[in-house]
Amino acid sequence: DGGITQSPKYLFRKEGQNVTLSCEQNLNHDAMYWYRQDPGQGLRLIYYSQIVNDFQKGDIAEGYSVSREKKESFPLTVTSAQKNPTAFYLCASSERGGSGEQFFGPGTRLTVL
Amino acid sequence: RKEVEQDPGPFNVPEGATVAFNCTYSNSASQSFFWYRQDCRKEPKLLMSVYSSGNEDGRFTAQLNRASQYISLLIRDSKLSDSATYLCVVNMGTGGFKTIFGAGTRLFVKA
Repeated sequence: DGGITQSPKYLFRKEGQNVTLSCEQNLNHDAMYWYRQDPGQGLRLIYYSQIVNDFQKGDIAEGYSVSREKKESFPLTVTSAQKNPTAFYLCASSERGGSGEQFFGPGTRLTVL
Repeated sequence: RKEVEQDPGPFNVPEGATVAFNCTYSNSASQSFFWYRQDCRKEPKLLMSVYSSGNEDGRFTAQLNRASQYISLLIRDSKLSDSATYLCVVNMGTGGFKTIFGAGTRLFVKA
């Protein structure tokens, strides 16, 4: 079955540590995205990539970094520079230049202790 | 003004009721529109796309009013399983990086 996987499902981090969230898709989509969701708020775009070896900052990129070395993988690193990293992180993919319909992974819930 | 605005609710309705959600968007150049459903602590999933001519999928009907810049979702004969948050989503061009998600409207359907 085609889909998007994210790991881990839950992640706990101490302040000052960097952590990397995994996102893998086998939908053969060119475009991939990372969103952050906080209670009562809409999804906010962190980074996106429209093609391998290329990515762009979204609305809230500060304190995050990404890479796109393979079409199917788009890992997100939450660095110690991110002031308030506790949130629900969602990875999505879509056809490049499509109508905008996006397919989401199950998410990673990050808690900073 | 937010780019996409929804009434956060919650809407509390009995089983069998009809409930309607509205969503307004600020950018008149927006090109495509969607409703997503998100269950508690889960990822959003596409419920339906919204077309100018309106579209229906079983108990769900979505409509777009470009002149007034709003979209709506109507749920007829509500089921307990319809309890979720419904996200209004607007895409302002080709490519998902111009996709704006509303904060969602929470629906509770009671027995």
